Amino acid sequence: EIVMTQTPLSLSVTPGQPASISCKSSQSLLHSDARTYLSWYLQKSGQSPQLLIYEVSNRFSGVPDRFSGSGSGTDFTLKISRVEAEDVGVYYCMQSRSVFRTFGQGTKVEIK
Amino acid sequence: EVQLVESGGGLVQPGRSLRLSCTTSGFSFGDFGMSWVRQAPGKGLEWVGFIGSTAYGGTTEYAASVKGRFTISREDSKSVAYLQMNSLRTEDTAIYYCTREEMSPIAAPIYFDFWGQGTLVTVSS
Repeated sequence: EIVMTQTPLSLSVTPGQPASISCKSSQSLLHSDARTYLSWYLQKSGQSPQLLIYEVSNRFSGVPDRFSGSGSGTDFTLKISRVEAEDVGVYYCMQSRSVFRTFGQGTKVEIK
Repeated sequence: EVQLVESGGGLVQPGRSLRLSCTTSGFSFGDFGMSWVRQAPGKGLEWVGFIGSTAYGGTTEYAASVKGRFTISREDSKSVAYLQMNSLRTEDTAIYYCTREEMSPIAAPIYFDFWGQGTLVTVSS
């Protein structure tokens, strides 16, 4: 099983300030097809998770450009350039290098 | 508009069975793989299992925690996916989400682009 580890587990951010979440995998997420299958999801309170980023750095349709993803191999980062009130919730990374998908523990983002 | 609606959740005793349905619309169901993801109360997300598109054989894979007890199937003519849960345990208590899978060029499932609203399954005596 590929273990995904997120840090920090919680984050309190002033509106307008940047935020960054780290996600590390226990093995490389580079697939044999030369693509890296790491995605990010946001779960707002009382809602289903929603896709933000796929394949490390591609924003899903409708996702604001203040969200960006980066990384390679085993180390990945989600950045929010300027946090807004609507960004609060729990962020999860997920690997699809293996069909046996695994998620990080989640990072709770709140507004100061 | 892509829509996924889960149904069939409820309260069930340990050892009993339950079948969840995921009714979809707004896309060509047969062209996509589907997965189930669950979330225990106050906990994180756990992938449960996957079924590939019929064109790629409708193969299934399951998390170790449910393998041998849960079965995923699909009925393309109705655009519905199912999760049959047998021998339920108290630790299976969770919200169960149905998700649509985007597939890679080599037909591997790579991310969940759409999610249902979830259905709560409570296993308790």
